[in-house]
Parts: sequence; structure tokens; C-alpha cells
Amino acid sequence: GAVVSQHPSWVICKSGTSVKIECRSLDFQATTMFWYRQFPKQSLMLMATSNEGSKATYEQGVEKDKFLINHASLTLSTLTVTSAHPEDSSFYICSAPGLFDTQYFGPGTRLTVL
Amino acid sequence: AQKVTQAQTEISVVEKEDVTLDCVYETRDTTYYLFWYKQPPSGELVFLIRRNSFDEQNEISGRYSWNFQKSTSSFNFTITASQVVDSAVYFCALNSGTYKYIFGTGTRLKVLA
Repeated sequence: GAVVSQHPSWVICKSGTSVKIECRSLDFQATTMFWYRQFPKQSLMLMATSNEGSKATYEQGVEKDKFLINHASLTLSTLTVTSAHPEDSSFYICSAPGLFDTQYFGPGTRLTVL
Repeated sequence: AQKVTQAQTEISVVEKEDVTLDCVYETRDTTYYLFWYKQPPSGELVFLIRRNSFDEQNEISGRYSWNFQKSTSSFNFTITASQVVDSAVYFCALNSGTYKYIFGTGTRLKVLA
């Protein structure tokens, strides 16, 4: 079946640094990918829609200058958390759409900002 | 507005008990899809089921069963003879054909040996 990978699976960084998270569709092409954020013991919230060849679409309340999204190819989308702060610590999950409105989710990246 | 409500924050059961996880949704769309996902401690979401709004037939898959009732806007999930490995957070989600998923707040299930 379709597989979506994320790298890294976890990352710890110092406050003020930038962190890049990769999301890859391994055996299929995805013109669109989605980025979710999940705080501890909370639900998944859609942050943005990544579009290959065009700008990402951000959900209300998500800072586009802080969360940079680049959909470089049909199999790769990256999320860069710029000038990360402790409040950005979260579980970031990407997904790519499949058939019948199903989404294939990546395994997630746990970000801890010290 | 679209919304998914999972009123049960946490449920604890003893192994072999049956347990039902509730999901109530709100949408004005006539065509939509409902999903259940399992999230074990590792964090990776595991797809369990997808149901479209025109198919109200209940479904059984092994120990899992789902009861979809449009009249009450509910899509409940029952695990029969629960096992410790069923311990996880379970999310119900709604999608109206735009690929944007609306997730419920999740129900943490603890199955005790």
C-alpha cells in the first residue's frame, strides 16, 4: 500500500534555531500534502496544505512566516519551523491524499525545543 | 460548520470486556466521509475504517464493528473482547471531499490485563 515517510522521527533543538522536517511519498506521487500539528493529549489540527509548484495554503491562525512549507517535487514536501521556541514543541504529522478521500499519514516527527 | 465530538476523553476496561467509543459529527454537506484511526503510543496513525454518507450499513471486521446512524449523526466504534494491545488513542474524523480532515479530540482507551 501507499507509504508516507517523515524525517527525522524526532528532533531536539535549541530555542531560536530552525528545524526542517521532510515528508515523502514513497511509492506514489502527491501534488498535495498536508501538515498537521498535535500537542500532547490533544487532537490533530491541520496547519497547512502543501501544493507542488505553488504556494502553500495556511489555516487560520498559523503563521506562514514561521512555518515555511516547500513542495519541491511530486514526492517531497518540507516544513521548516523557523526560530523555534518551546511553545512550538509538538508532534508534526504529514499526509498525502489517496483514493476516495483517504489520506495516508506519515509516522510523525516529535519536535522538542529547549 | 463541521465538527466532530468524542465526548469520552478516557475509558478504562478490563481485558475481554466489550467497549464502545462514541463519535458524533456535524456537517451541512450531503456527501461526506467518516473515518476511525488508532494512534498507539508510537504516534503513528493507523487507519481502521472509512464510511461514506450514503452507506449506512454497519460493518464488522474481526473484533471491530462500526454503527453508522445518520439520523443521530453518530458513527460509533465497538471493540469486542478487548485486548491489552487495543490500548491507544482512537480518533474519529470527518471529511467532506476537500481532503481537509476534521478530527475529534480522541478517546484514550486503556485495556487492563
